[in-house]
Amino acid sequence: QKEVEQNSGPLSVPEGAIASLNCTYSDRGSQSFFWYRQYSGKSPELIMSIYSNGDKEDGRFTAQLNKASQYVSLLIRDSQPSDSATYLCAVIPFSGGYQKVTFGIGTKLQVIP
Amino acid sequence: GAVVSQHPSRVICKSGTSVKIECRSLDFQATTMFWYRQFPKQSLMLMATSNEGSKATYEQGVEKDKFLINHASLTLSTLTVTSAHPEDSSFYICSARVFNRDNEQFFGPGTRLTVL
Repeated sequence: QKEVEQNSGPLSVPEGAIASLNCTYSDRGSQSFFWYRQYSGKSPELIMSIYSNGDKEDGRFTAQLNKASQYVSLLIRDSQPSDSATYLCAVIPFSGGYQKVTFGIGTKLQVIP
Repeated sequence: GAVVSQHPSRVICKSGTSVKIECRSLDFQATTMFWYRQFPKQSLMLMATSNEGSKATYEQGVEKDKFLINHASLTLSTLTVTSAHPEDSSFYICSARVFNRDNEQFFGPGTRLTVL
């Protein structure tokens, strides 16, 4: 089982819709969760971090964390064509010492005008 | 804040030459920096973790004698690809973790290496 799993997509949504991106992780003791956006040919950009169960909102983005289900999601409201990118879920597994970020394969999002 | 720069952004070299890539944290001190490699349409692959003042920790399968990492100061880490070959052509990205920022990790813009 992969440590961080994401559907590679592509996920296609019409402009103005809500895009829902999902991620599951295997290490139940994980404490830190991140969403990165990566445009084609560019490096990843941190867009959200979440550490506690529940929702965290930042503008059009909402991160949701459910540690019991080992599930983290990212909602993008009012999706725009400029949101078309690959979204990487990242988790720091509980290792007790050195903390290394583990990335999912990423979900490609396509927002259709 | 939390800006990471990388230089050069793009390099083309002949097979057998060595290439040095610099990674700098511009507005914060980074005790730990990370080097990733990404092939087209593939996920990020962590190559090594660079700690200021000590030896880098390499991931399994990454040749430490081929990918030399030096983290000489709290704001600079370098990756040298020695005796580069066409199979080393890839997108190399560094990142840095901000101390006391809840493990948030910020990426540099990346270096695209093409070995002819």
